[in-house]
Amino acid sequence: AQKVTQAQTEISVVEKEDVTLDCVYETRDTTYYLFWYKQPPSGELVFLIRRNSFDEQNEISGRYSWNFQKSTSSFNFTITASQVVDSAVYFCAIEEADSWGKLQFGAGTQVVVTP
Amino acid sequence: KAGVTQTPRYLIKTRGQQVTLSCSPISGHRSVSWYQQTPGQGLQFLFEYFSETQRNKGNFPGRFSGRQFSNSRSEMNVSTLELGDSALYLCASSLGTRGETQYFGPGTRLLVL
Repeated sequence: AQKVTQAQTEISVVEKEDVTLDCVYETRDTTYYLFWYKQPPSGELVFLIRRNSFDEQNEISGRYSWNFQKSTSSFNFTITASQVVDSAVYFCAIEEADSWGKLQFGAGTQVVVTP
Repeated sequence: KAGVTQTPRYLIKTRGQQVTLSCSPISGHRSVSWYQQTPGQGLQFLFEYFSETQRNKGNFPGRFSGRQFSNSRSEMNVSTLELGDSALYLCASSLGTRGETQYFGPGTRLLVL
């Protein structure tokens, strides 16, 4: 079964619009870790945010914010006031407690920001 | 600190050959994980090494192997290459404790002809 589902294949926005990326995960563990990564055309995965399963506090970091809800197994990510440089593929991932070093990724969401 | 480095960046091989990819982690990081990324299968976990020991392994055939050296640098080897092994191979390093953030290198693009 897919551990992480990113239902949105592609999102296109105009610069300065907000973008919300959906992520739904599946796990039986009580301890787990959730991540968002960005992959620009160059190919390197860039770390964005990390949360553990015991911390549902939602925060804002610059133009990024996230909404972690254990009740619905969702970990959504929002880019506020998008910029052209935000164009990339965004991946949500989970690392389960006893799965050393194993990130399980969703299929990714392509974000296209046009001027 | 320097980031994760991977060599070579690009490789072209033919079916049946073998290939070795190298990954140098961020200084102080003792864990290295490897991933394969293809358009069809997405990002898939290959294996993870910590202090020269493989702690975890994904669902790949035995043709895929790896190792880690005492300085935490890691190599992965693919023997008897198949066309389907064409992919972007990414390595990531972390401190190695549970849930630590993995930082990725630029990847090696392997094309098998």
